[in-house]
Amino acid sequence: AQKVTQAQTEISVVEKEDVTLDCVYETRDTTYYLFWYKQPPSGELVFLIRRNSFDEQNEISGRYSWNFQKSTSSFNFTITASQVVDSAVYFCALSGRGAGKSTFGDGTTLTVKP
Amino acid sequence: NAGVTQTPKFQVLKTGQSMTLQCAQDMNHEYMSWYRQDPGMGLRLIHYSVGAGITDQGEVPNGYNVSRSTTEDFPLRLLSAAPSQTSVYFCASSPGGWTAPQETQYFGPGTRLLVL
Repeated sequence: AQKVTQAQTEISVVEKEDVTLDCVYETRDTTYYLFWYKQPPSGELVFLIRRNSFDEQNEISGRYSWNFQKSTSSFNFTITASQVVDSAVYFCALSGRGAGKSTFGDGTTLTVKP
Repeated sequence: NAGVTQTPKFQVLKTGQSMTLQCAQDMNHEYMSWYRQDPGMGLRLIHYSVGAGITDQGEVPNGYNVSRSTTEDFPLRLLSAAPSQTSVYFCASSPGGWTAPQETQYFGPGTRLLVL
């Protein structure tokens, strides 16, 4: 069975601070995919980033970056220079190969104060 | 492209009533899924489909039925609504295939369901 744990329930930062959201996962699959989604107060789910299990290269995309470490089963997500509009619930998700079904963590509520 | 659409946006039911939540996608995606999101929790998979005519159960299938007669549509049926089914329901689709971009799910706007 797959499992995703987001230990941080709520995080509060002041605008322009950097913030890292933690995600730890469990899976027996050798090929899998990891995702981060954002759910703003309006309620929709917005896809942010994706990583393959066989590619541990960490990347930066604008203010977003992620740190994928297979050895510790972690897939952490960092927002640099946070903005008020980043306030949302962030979900980490894990998908095996095929079928388009994902296991989600319980989410981290990020509040960015001006 | 409209992407993934869901109707209705909000619904109130009485215990024991039945209803169908509609989901449609216009991206010719192979895979479609239904999730429910309860307060303070992540999404949990109800049912999913890997193509027309093929469906399977997810983590929390009890009380729900699905069918997939076309690639575009994937309705979710509540057979006899219960207060425990009060939730936000999300439909998702993904292209399918063997590469990471094909695995990415795109979500509809959600349906808020209240069962009294």
